[in-house]
Amino acid sequence: QVQLVESGGGVVQPGRSLTLSCVASGFPFSSYGMHWVRQAPGKGPEWVAVLSFDGIDKYYADSVKGRFTISRDNSKKTLYLRINSLRAEDTAVYYCVKANYGDFSLGYWGQGTLVTVSS
Amino acid sequence: QSVLTQPPSVSAAPGQKVTISCSASTSNIDNNDVSWYQQLPGTAPKLLIYDNNKRASGIPDRFSGSKSGTSATLGITGLQTGDEADYYCGTWDRGLSVAVFGGGTKLTVL
Repeated sequence: QVQLVESGGGVVQPGRSLTLSCVASGFPFSSYGMHWVRQAPGKGPEWVAVLSFDGIDKYYADSVKGRFTISRDNSKKTLYLRINSLRAEDTAVYYCVKANYGDFSLGYWGQGTLVTVSS
Repeated sequence: QSVLTQPPSVSAAPGQKVTISCSASTSNIDNNDVSWYQQLPGTAPKLLIYDNNKRASGIPDRFSGSKSGTSATLGITGLQTGDEADYYCGTWDRGLSVAVFGGGTKLTVL
């Protein structure tokens, strides 16, 4: 079955950078678009970014443009999210989400990794 | 502020039926497909419904989805205490190339 395992979260000081990873299994990773979605404590999900199956098409939420970079390595079945200049408002659980086949609608979610931005 | 509007909470007794609405002020839903997610306390969101009315793998037929114009609805029949969760609607807006979610609805099974 579909498995998405995120890692790389932790406590980070404001202004620092962080890279999150998501290892996929149970489906042909190189055939599916992939999203990052975050959820701040006590809040609803907030979409962050999406990357097409081949890594060519990528889209970002306005709130993260210029600071976040989504990428993937299909040979490693891994999705990445690079976050620069971390801010307190970036504190959230970050989920990778598999898109449905053929488009970017969101499907299955991983278990998430918590990023806490604090001095 | 969520682009999709959901009621903050709904409640019903065990065995009863409940519906949760999701409406858009723009064409987010009208021209795109809606998904529904269930988030049990302390866990990740779980896909229930995709493409407006298709149940995800392993989801019982007590859960159903529908869409009409700029509104979508999640229905749950035969309510169980284990259904107590937050429910979110979401869509990929093909025109704007963004994903949007509702603010969530907390279901209480009395």
